[in-house]
Amino acid sequence: GAVVSQHPSWVICKSGTSVKIECRSLDFQATTMFWYRQFPKQSLMLMATSNEGSKATYEQGVEKDKFLINHASLTLSTLTVTSAHPEDSSFYICSARGRTSGGLWNEQFFGPGTRLTVL
Amino acid sequence: GQQVMQIPQYQHVQEGEDFTTYCNSSTTLSNIQWYKQRPGGHPVFLIQLVKSGEVKKQKRLTFQFGEAKKNSSLHITATQTTDVGTYFCVSGAGSYQLTFGKGTKLSVIP
Repeated sequence: GAVVSQHPSWVICKSGTSVKIECRSLDFQATTMFWYRQFPKQSLMLMATSNEGSKATYEQGVEKDKFLINHASLTLSTLTVTSAHPEDSSFYICSARGRTSGGLWNEQFFGPGTRLTVL
Repeated sequence: GQQVMQIPQYQHVQEGEDFTTYCNSSTTLSNIQWYKQRPGGHPVFLIQLVKSGEVKKQKRLTFQFGEAKKNSSLHITATQTTDVGTYFCVSGAGSYQLTFGKGTKLSVIP
């Protein structure tokens, strides 16, 4: 299957600082990228959907000014957690969807995730 | 995406026993996907079901989509320790946005 990378894999930051997480599709063009958040022992919750070159669509309850998403190219999307607080500590996972040889049109390929800890 | 309910939430089985997780929706689903997430890992796509009554097999895994396209199941025959993880059913609902069920966490006792 297609490969999606995420960087960093983990990050610890102080409260009030901003953290940027990168999501890259390595061997295909990702027309759409998704950002999820997963708290311990819980399911994945979709935060936002981004299409290349356009503004992200945020799910209800997700603050777009706090979670800045940029999808500047067909292979890169970034999530910036601004003024992070301890309650933002979570596992952030991106996924990407696009046409791959042999892939399903709406199959999503997930990155390995980024574990954010805000002190 | 459309809401999907998944049961059980946890399942502990002895290695070699069978395991089944069920996924239900109050509305008709356009498709259902299944993902597996190993502890500490990310979800990995297993399969997609689209047709009413569809049954697909992957080695020891059997996936079913109900006739009314409102429920689905994943059955694992003769579980192994490598089957440990959380299995999510995911609704595609005709769009590309996925709605994850709460998942079933499978533990396999050697």
